[in-house]
Amino acid sequence: DTGVSQDPRHKITKRGQNVTFRCDPISEHNRLYWYRQTLGQGPEFLTYFQNEAQLEKSRLLSDRFSAERPKGSFSTLEIQRTEQGDSAMYLCASSSEGVTDTQYFGPGTRLTVL
Amino acid sequence: AQSVAQPEDQVNVAEGNPLTVKCTYSVSGNPYLFWYVQYPNRGLQFLLKYITGDNLVKGSYGFEAEFNKSQTSFHLKKPSALVSDSALYFCAVRALASGGSYIPTFGRGTSLIVHP
Repeated sequence: DTGVSQDPRHKITKRGQNVTFRCDPISEHNRLYWYRQTLGQGPEFLTYFQNEAQLEKSRLLSDRFSAERPKGSFSTLEIQRTEQGDSAMYLCASSSEGVTDTQYFGPGTRLTVL
Repeated sequence: AQSVAQPEDQVNVAEGNPLTVKCTYSVSGNPYLFWYVQYPNRGLQFLLKYITGDNLVKGSYGFEAEFNKSQTSFHLKKPSALVSDSALYFCAVRALASGGSYIPTFGRGTSLIVHP
């Protein structure tokens, strides 16, 4: 168990550019979650995968956001035409199947949009 | 819609004293409740969870939490605080979302500061 990893850890971009983040979950976990966290707030749910299927999407996830999880392993979160309001910490978590599953979080990717 | 409230932005306690970090929730149906801790520059770490059964749940690092259904609360407690417990603590509730999945909702977090 090497834990959940995220890449990059930090990303600085200019407004209007596209960015992509990667999350590698714990290998035996079939559920993967993306969250966004801003200063002074708790994580806000963005989307959730069970294996390769995207089962839930938050209304926070605008059309500029897209997430994939090909082959049910790693996942990518892409933000197109970034805006300053997208600046936040993007967290990934994984878990085993079950309603009461415990989520294990990665260290996050901090995005700064200039 | 489900929600979680952490009424205190910050809790200060002296080392060796008991600590309590408060959490109340609102949810339809059975609540599944969690506590996580976040240290600076690190990801959230799971502390404990309540699913069913005994209202007193014991977790990592000597923490425990008490589920109170009538008060819709799930307060985090520790009998004797350590300086190393200083961190940001998040309460979360999972309940059935419109899409049929159990989605977590997190509170805003409480900063715990333990003074030597």
